Amino acid sequence: AQKITQTQPGMFVQEKEAVTLDCTYDTSDQSYGLFWYKQPSSGEMIFLIYQGSYDEQNATEGRYSLNFQKARKSANLVISASQLGDSAMYFCAMREGLTGGFKTIFGAGTRLFVKA
Amino acid sequence: GAGVSQSPSNKVTEKGKDVELRCDPISGHTALYWYRQSLGQGLEFLIYFQGNSAPDKSGLPSDRFSAERTGGSVSTLTIQRTQQEDSAVYLCASSEGRTGGTEAFFGQGTRLTVV
Repeated sequence: AQKITQTQPGMFVQEKEAVTLDCTYDTSDQSYGLFWYKQPSSGEMIFLIYQGSYDEQNATEGRYSLNFQKARKSANLVISASQLGDSAMYFCAMREGLTGGFKTIFGAGTRLFVKA
Repeated sequence: GAGVSQSPSNKVTEKGKDVELRCDPISGHTALYWYRQSLGQGLEFLIYFQGNSAPDKSGLPSDRFSAERTGGSVSTLTIQRTQQEDSAVYLCASSEGRTGGTEAFFGQGTRLTVV
């Protein structure tokens, strides 16, 4: 079974609008971490934001925020005020706890296209 | 530098040849990962090293693939008898071996082309 599910292969958003990229996960660990990465066409992997399973507040980093709903096991990324440079592939990832051997696994990714 | 270093950055090889890809993780990182990424696709997990534990090899696609990590630091991914379907970017990442907020840091990848 997929442990990280990103159901949107591709998304379009108008410049300056907000967009939500979906991510759901599955783990039996109580302690785990959730991450989002951006991969532009250059191929580098850029870390965006982190949410710990025990963090009560949703993580925010500039225009990025993580909508963490623990009971639903979802960790959606919200990008506010989209810019043309946000066009890229976005990956959701989870680092499991002890049961999962602290391994980081990735979703299949969502390709975001920002329209001018 | 202080980042994850991979070499070579590009490798073109003939079908049937063996190749070795190298990864130098960030010093002190106990966790090291190898992923494979085909053009426009997601990250395919290959293998995971965590400290002195036995590696998680569950992602290796065939017995032509192997990896080792010497001294808890440098790792080498070896592909024997390469096939055209092995053509991809091979990414290495390292992280601290805990669930805390330290993300996995990636190298720039090795682009492998099998002709």
